[in-house]
Amino acid sequence: EVQLVESGGNLVQPGGSLRLSCAASGFTFSSYAMGWVRQAPGKGLEWVSTISGGAGSTYYADSVKGRFTISRDKSKNTLYLQMISLRAEDTAVYSCAKQGGGGPYDAFDIWGQGTMVTVSS
Amino acid sequence: QSVLTQPPSASGTPGQRVTISCSGSSSNIGDNYVYWYQQLPGTAPKLLIYRNNQRPSGVPDRFSGSKSGTSASLAISGLRSEDEAEYYCAAWDDSLSGWVFGGGTKLTVL
Repeated sequence: EVQLVESGGNLVQPGGSLRLSCAASGFTFSSYAMGWVRQAPGKGLEWVSTISGGAGSTYYADSVKGRFTISRDKSKNTLYLQMISLRAEDTAVYSCAKQGGGGPYDAFDIWGQGTMVTVSS
Repeated sequence: QSVLTQPPSASGTPGQRVTISCSGSSSNIGDNYVYWYQQLPGTAPKLLIYRNNQRPSGVPDRFSGSKSGTSASLAISGLRSEDEAEYYCAAWDDSLSGWVFGGGTKLTVL
């Protein structure tokens, strides 16, 4: 069974940092693109970042470019999102999602349950 | 303000057919596939339609997708109470080099 389990969410002060993790199982992790999508309380879905399978090209939403870094450890089947210079508007549930192929254009076909990040003083 | 535009709400009675629209531009819907997600309250989104009109295994054929130019639609026929959920469209955007989502449509089954 394909499974994605996020962790690392927490309450952090504005300007602070946090690293989210997503443990993947049930599929060949290195072959697929993976992404992070967030959902602020009571709001819609917002794509954050994607890392392609294979060479691992990365893509970011303009709202997080320069502050967030996506990476993957193929030996641990784990996806990461390093977040720095956090702002109140980054408060959201962050979900990792497997994409349907190796490229960034493939749909998010399996989603984790998400981890909550709250940025507040 | 979302890049893809959806109506905020839609409704129907059991058994009815409802459609949800999604409007974009040449850099997203016009040039790329459209995907639809269903999010039941308190749960993770679920892929409902991929590549404009394809259903993943397990999705009932009551759900169908279509695309024309820079717009797309999700149709749900034989509406059921369990279809009450938030529905999102999504597409890759070539200008942004990233994914864009619609703002979501809350479907109420009356």
